[in-house]
Amino acid sequence: EAGVVQSPRYKIIEKKQPVAFWCNPISGHNTLYWYRQNLGQGPELLIRYENEEAVDDSQLPKDRFSAERLKGVDSTLKIQPAELGDSAVYLCASSRGAGLNTEAFFGQGTRLTVV
Amino acid sequence: AQTVTQSQPEMSVQEAETVTLSCTYDTSENNYYLFWYKQPPSRQMILVIRQEAYKQQNATENRFSVNFQKAAKSFSLKISDSQLGDTAMYFCAFMKPLMTGNQFYFGTGTSLTVIP
Repeated sequence: EAGVVQSPRYKIIEKKQPVAFWCNPISGHNTLYWYRQNLGQGPELLIRYENEEAVDDSQLPKDRFSAERLKGVDSTLKIQPAELGDSAVYLCASSRGAGLNTEAFFGQGTRLTVV
Repeated sequence: AQTVTQSQPEMSVQEAETVTLSCTYDTSENNYYLFWYKQPPSRQMILVIRQEAYKQQNATENRFSVNFQKAAKSFSLKISDSQLGDTAMYFCAFMKPLMTGNQFYFGTGTSLTVIP
């Protein structure tokens, strides 16, 4: 079974530039998560999708961050414009679905550096 | 909101020895799940072990076991016969199942170093 796939693995951009991250969850997983992980910290939720619906985006800085999950499969997270404080690892995870007894499976993350 | 606390930012253990990582959580929920994840330098978060809150028996996976104290809201991870490959960040996670998608809360992590 293929795991959660994220790309790119690394991204370096100048501040004020846009950036996008892509995630392909495990096949059949209805729930998709985007987390931000700062150095030495645990993952913090940005947005959670159940199929194509964003059911929890309360922690997403909507002035500059946006996400989509068209057709309830792949997802894209975008930052425009990027700020220095956005430097972090962005993790995508998926799980089987709402209410089901299952763990989250993670991708390898994208390390973003804003200079 | 649920909170997960890992009070040990860094720990070290000699190879082949046993180490225990602590985790406490705060919740008013009765139905939930607890996990320990391992994150090596490659950044991939890997599930180590899971515990259902309704089960009294502590979960065990080979060299990994937990001490789940529901009343005390404590969920520690014991690693026996530590190996060099166990060196990683370890995150304790609380999961609340919802009909709108399971909600996970993570601690700040414990950096474990296994010393040869």
